[in-house]
Amino acid sequence: GEQVEQLPSILRVQEGSSASINCSYEDSASNYFPWYKQEPGENPKLIIDIRSNMERKQIQELIVLLDKKAKRFSLHITDTQPGDSAMYFCAAMGGSNNRIFFGDGTQLVVKP
Amino acid sequence: NSKVIQTPRYLVKGQGQKAKMRCIPEKGHPVVFWYQQNKNNEFKFLINFQNQEVLQQIDMTEKRFSAECPSNSPCSLEIQSSEAGDSALYLCASSRQNNQAPLFGEGTRLSVL
Repeated sequence: GEQVEQLPSILRVQEGSSASINCSYEDSASNYFPWYKQEPGENPKLIIDIRSNMERKQIQELIVLLDKKAKRFSLHITDTQPGDSAMYFCAAMGGSNNRIFFGDGTQLVVKP
Repeated sequence: NSKVIQTPRYLVKGQGQKAKMRCIPEKGHPVVFWYQQNKNNEFKFLINFQNQEVLQQIDMTEKRFSAECPSNSPCSLEIQSSEAGDSALYLCASSRQNNQAPLFGEGTRLSVL
């Protein structure tokens, strides 16, 4: 079944505007939520993460929010630039056997 | 530069052939994952290890793949008899401990003709 749902699948924004990607998870034992950015032909790279003892974390233009009660978390990119164009994946960890479950990805396109 | 080293970068096999790929995890990372990423960018978990022990694997991996992470040698993932549907990017990732985001290698892109 779908462990982590990620929406939207494609997101087109104008340069300078913000972009938001939303994820939800099923396993209430999940307690760690990393986000990866993957550019064409490259491997996924960790850009920001949040643990379940936090509700909000910010690194420069990246903000992640976590609502444990609703089992939702989100990534917000403020002041997007063309270099932010890539695939973004959310993930959830913390269940048994150290599994990490990925969302299906969001293709972000930042138009100049 | 990624510190998880995967070889080869590209692999071309015919149907029915064996396909083997290797991964050297980041030093000090006892947890190793293998994922298959298809042309739609979706991740499929294949197997994970802690040190040399298998933690979990999916049914497909158990039946058609062999994988190991011996001490002092690269980890490996081998498809015993390649099928067209196995064409994908195979990503190895490692982490220092549970609940730490794994670091990905650059992947092995397998094409089964």
